[in-house]
Amino acid sequence: EVQLVESGGGLVQPGGSLRLSCVASAFTFSDHYMDWVRQAPGKGLEWVGRLRNKANSYTSEYAASVKGRFTISRDDSRNSLYLQMNNLKTEDTAVYYCVRLGLKTTPYYCDYWGQGTLVTVSS
Amino acid sequence: DIQMTQSPSSLSASVGDRVTITCRASQAISNCLAWFQQKPGEAPKSLIYEVSSLQSGVPSRFSGSVSETDFTLTISSLQPEDFATYYCQQYKSYPITFGQGSRLDIK
Repeated sequence: EVQLVESGGGLVQPGGSLRLSCVASAFTFSDHYMDWVRQAPGKGLEWVGRLRNKANSYTSEYAASVKGRFTISRDDSRNSLYLQMNNLKTEDTAVYYCVRLGLKTTPYYCDYWGQGTLVTVSS
Repeated sequence: DIQMTQSPSSLSASVGDRVTITCRASQAISNCLAWFQQKPGEAPKSLIYEVSSLQSGVPSRFSGSVSETDFTLTISSLQPEDFATYYCQQYKSYPITFGQGSRLDIK
């Protein structure tokens, strides 16, 4: 069964940094594009960014709200996806989900979600 | 950015009812439309991709369709476990965008 397990969330002060991790299992992680999606308390879903696979040069895309502050990376040898978040703002407070993209058709589409990790930015 | 507008924002229905939720895109998105279900306190679950393709394990009472610019999620006969919030998403172009959500409550 496909599993995505996020970790690394917590309380951080405005201007601070945090690194989230997502460990994948039960599929060939290196084949898949991966997304981060977040959800502020009581709000809807917001796409954060995407990291492509090695075959596509590990290129990435970001939402305007996080571009220049957040960086997505991966370690295929560890089946892991990361989200480095710098210069955090109070509006970054959210549950962050790691999402796998399915490969049956293009463009690729979200298919499996992790359980999420909560990031709280507050002084 | 492509805006995704869902309607209704909330609705009440009974077990056994047929329910439809609509999502309209501000620009053409071809067939790059997905639907997700989220229950309180849980992660979203993928239901449908490419307008009408069911994700593995999703019951056949869920279906998706499109008419011109309106994308529709239909639940043919509501079950107790279907009461949740539903989101549409376009993945035609960046930034990927979601609808604001449609909350389905028990009447």
